[in-house]
Amino acid sequence: KNQVEQSPQSLIILEGKNCTLQCNYTVSPFSNLRWYKQDTGRGPVSLTIMTFSENTKSNGRYTATLDADTKQSSLHITASQLSDSASYICVVSPNQAGTALIFGKGTTLSVSS
Amino acid sequence: DADVTQTPRNRITKTGKRIMLECSQTKGHDRMYWYRQDPGLGLRLIYYSFDVKDINKGEISDGYSVSRQAQAKFSLSLESAIPNQTALYFCATSDLGNREAQYFGPGTRLTVL
Repeated sequence: KNQVEQSPQSLIILEGKNCTLQCNYTVSPFSNLRWYKQDTGRGPVSLTIMTFSENTKSNGRYTATLDADTKQSSLHITASQLSDSASYICVVSPNQAGTALIFGKGTTLSVSS
Repeated sequence: DADVTQTPRNRITKTGKRIMLECSQTKGHDRMYWYRQDPGLGLRLIYYSFDVKDINKGEISDGYSVSRQAQAKFSLSLESAIPNQTALYFCATSDLGNREAQYFGPGTRLTVL
């Protein structure tokens, strides 16, 4: 069964610190992997999209990595800010036309001052 | 103006009532989606449409129906609402297949009493 598992479920860090969120997936064949940020009460917003042939993609202070062999991805946040407090969702796209995306349950990040 | 809009943003209704949630987009995308989000479960796909004449069931379509009135409009109906349909509902759009990011609306918070 195609699944996307994220860890940790929640995380609290101090402002200015770095953190790394993990995503493991069993989706095969696999087309691409995305990371979304969802602020409380709002819709998810795309941070990065990587195909199976890419192993890193950056968007400002956000850097996503992908290891297609081990089916693992991580999202690294550098120099965290209060505005980074949100849920981060890993989403995998199966490599089958018309197949729906598979969403992880998300990691809730809280950045405190 | 927002690219993907949803109406209403909040709705409280009673068991058995018919409810329609509406989604409009100005992105010119052919593909539109309806998701629901429940605490601890992540986003789950209800229905999706790849163009005006195309409607497909998602993971959890029972109890829901949709209508794609035009390229820019995709509505979700609950014919007879029940309490376990209380959730946050998101509309999303995308273009050119799975590689493209999905753009989410702001969500509709539905409560069924």
